[in-house]
Amino acid sequence: AQSVTQPDIHITVSEGASLELRCNYSYGATPYLFWYVQSPGQGLQLLLKYFSGDTLVQGIKGFEAEFKRSQSSFNLRKPSVHWSDAAEYFCAVGGDTGTASKLTFGTGTRLQVTL
Amino acid sequence: KAGVTQTPRYLIKTRGQQVTLSCSPISGHRSVSWYQQTPGQGLQFLFEYFSETQRNKGNFPGRFSGRQFSNSRSEMNVSTLELGDSALYLCASSRGGGPIQLAKNIQYFGAGTRLSVL
Repeated sequence: AQSVTQPDIHITVSEGASLELRCNYSYGATPYLFWYVQSPGQGLQLLLKYFSGDTLVQGIKGFEAEFKRSQSSFNLRKPSVHWSDAAEYFCAVGGDTGTASKLTFGTGTRLQVTL
Repeated sequence: KAGVTQTPRYLIKTRGQQVTLSCSPISGHRSVSWYQQTPGQGLQFLFEYFSETQRNKGNFPGRFSGRQFSNSRSEMNVSTLELGDSALYLCASSRGGGPIQLAKNIQYFGAGTRLSVL
């Protein structure tokens, strides 16, 4: 069965500092990996996805993520954080049904940005 | 293009009642998935409907059911509500392609329906 671990429940960074959110997955075959962001009271917005190919994927809002099969990781990065990035971030994996339509989510990392 | 629309946004019910939540997918999307989000259990997959048929199902009791109409709109029903059913229920839509059409499986989420059971 597919699973996702986000080791950091809460992270605080200063505006302008770099960011890395960790995500480890467990899945037998090539996983389909996603990062979503959720602002308070809102749904989930897709930041980026990985299906295959280039292991460094670019997303919206200046985010990127790198798929490392040897480490079973898909960490999210941003070189310079903005105050508006404060939100909760979810890593998700799909694929055990042969499609990406059934996602398993991590527990989320809440990002706080200090000015 | 309009996004995924969920109605109502907020609901308050009492234990034992039943509730129906609605989801209108993005135009052209044929797959609708439902998720439950709670502070304790996080985001959990309920079920997915594609072309009016349930295609995938999560590990929830039979009190949770759904259906999809010919226009791809979907409803989720919870019968005999329990306090633990209080949650944010999220709906996601995708084009719903097969395994070789992964890009069509990207899910776009609605803002959710917040259900409170008293």
